[in-house]
Amino acid sequence: EAQVTQNPRYLITVTGKKLTVTCSQNMNHEYMSWYRQDPGLGLRQIYYSMNVEVTDKGDVPEGYKVSRKEKRNFPLILESPSPNQTSLYFCASSLLDRENSPLHFGNGTRLTVT
Amino acid sequence: KQEVTQIPAALSVPEGENLVLNCSFTDSAIYNLQWFRQDPGKGLTSLLLIQSSQREQTSGRLNASLDKSSGRSTLYIAASQPGDSATYLCAVRRGSGNTPLVFGKGTRLSVIA
Repeated sequence: EAQVTQNPRYLITVTGKKLTVTCSQNMNHEYMSWYRQDPGLGLRQIYYSMNVEVTDKGDVPEGYKVSRKEKRNFPLILESPSPNQTSLYFCASSLLDRENSPLHFGNGTRLTVT
Repeated sequence: KQEVTQIPAALSVPEGENLVLNCSFTDSAIYNLQWFRQDPGKGLTSLLLIQSSQREQTSGRLNASLDKSSGRSTLYIAASQPGDSATYLCAVRRGSGNTPLVFGKGTRLSVIA
């Protein structure tokens, strides 16, 4: 089954403790992206990647890191999480430069930083 | 800067009604427009994608239209069912390559049995 898989689904952590949220897709998509969703603010892009070893900042990259060492994986790294990073996070992927290629989303990771 | 607006923010209808959800965008130079469904606490499911050269797309009871010149898209849901209850999001992509999607804040739909 074609899908985007995120882990974990839920994560509670404390301020300053490094964490990684994994994302993997099995559709051979070039494009992958991370979003956060907050009440009243909607979905905002954190980082994106157009292919292996190619990453760039989205609208709200501060406090986050990503890597794209393999085409299928795009982990999101919080080196020193803070309470304002409490949010619902989504990973998404699509083919690149295909006008009819929809964006596929994972099921989300709900992160709480205390 | 592209802005996407969805009105109303919430909508409640009785089962069986036909309904229309609205999406407007400020920059008509779009690459494609996508409608998503989001169930509470879940991810987004792509419903329909309309390319810039298209006027509408249909899938089952859903029909999405696009009018670039007026900066509007509508999602028509026929014969609504309680299972259609969810938040519906509209997203616009300005160009190819690395151009991100710009999302509206969604319309929360409740279909009452």
